[in-house]
Amino acid sequence: QKEVEQDPGPLSVPEGAIVSLNCTYSNSAFQYFMWYRQYSRKGPELLMYTYSSGNKEDGRFTAQVDKSSKYISLFIRDSQPSDSATYLCAMRAGNSGNTPLVFGKGTRLSVIA
Amino acid sequence: DSGVTQTPKHLITATGQRVTLRCSPRSGDLSVYWYQQSLDQGLQFLIQYYNGEERAKGNILERFSAQQFPDLHSELNLSSLELGDSALYFCASSVATSSGELFFGEGSRLTVL
Repeated sequence: QKEVEQDPGPLSVPEGAIVSLNCTYSNSAFQYFMWYRQYSRKGPELLMYTYSSGNKEDGRFTAQVDKSSKYISLFIRDSQPSDSATYLCAMRAGNSGNTPLVFGKGTRLSVIA
Repeated sequence: DSGVTQTPKHLITATGQRVTLRCSPRSGDLSVYWYQQSLDQGLQFLIQYYNGEERAKGNILERFSAQQFPDLHSELNLSSLELGDSALYFCASSVATSSGELFFGEGSRLTVL
């Protein structure tokens, strides 16, 4: 079993839809959770960053972490064609330099106008 | 623009050859990370340097090596190349070892024929 599992999609939704992206993980030591967005032919860029369990909201984006279920989610409200990208979850166990980020494989999202 | 510069953007070479990928981190960032991204494996952590010293090692093959120079730029050397080494290689940087936010370059696409 891989440490981080993420459905690769592709996921196609109409403009304005609510999108739900998810990852599960097996390492209970993970404490820091991130979502990166990667446009085609570009490097990933940080979208959301949360610590431990709970919710975090930033504009149209909400990140949720449920450590008891080892499950994290990213919700996108009022999705736009510009949200079309690959979304990668990432997580790490500690806050030291010896605990690099572990990434999911990414979910490719297409928002159709 | 993340501020991380990678060269070359594209590279085509033959099996058995050796290549060097170069990365200049964002100004002020001391940590450099190398990741390999392929369709089947996703984004895989290879190695991390902090201020010239190796800090963490991931799934890096013995045929691969890296270093970080006094001016903080980094090079990833790939030797005895195999078809399976074809992938996108990303460099990322961060201010410190414990930062959750990595700033990625646009990647170097390596094709081994």
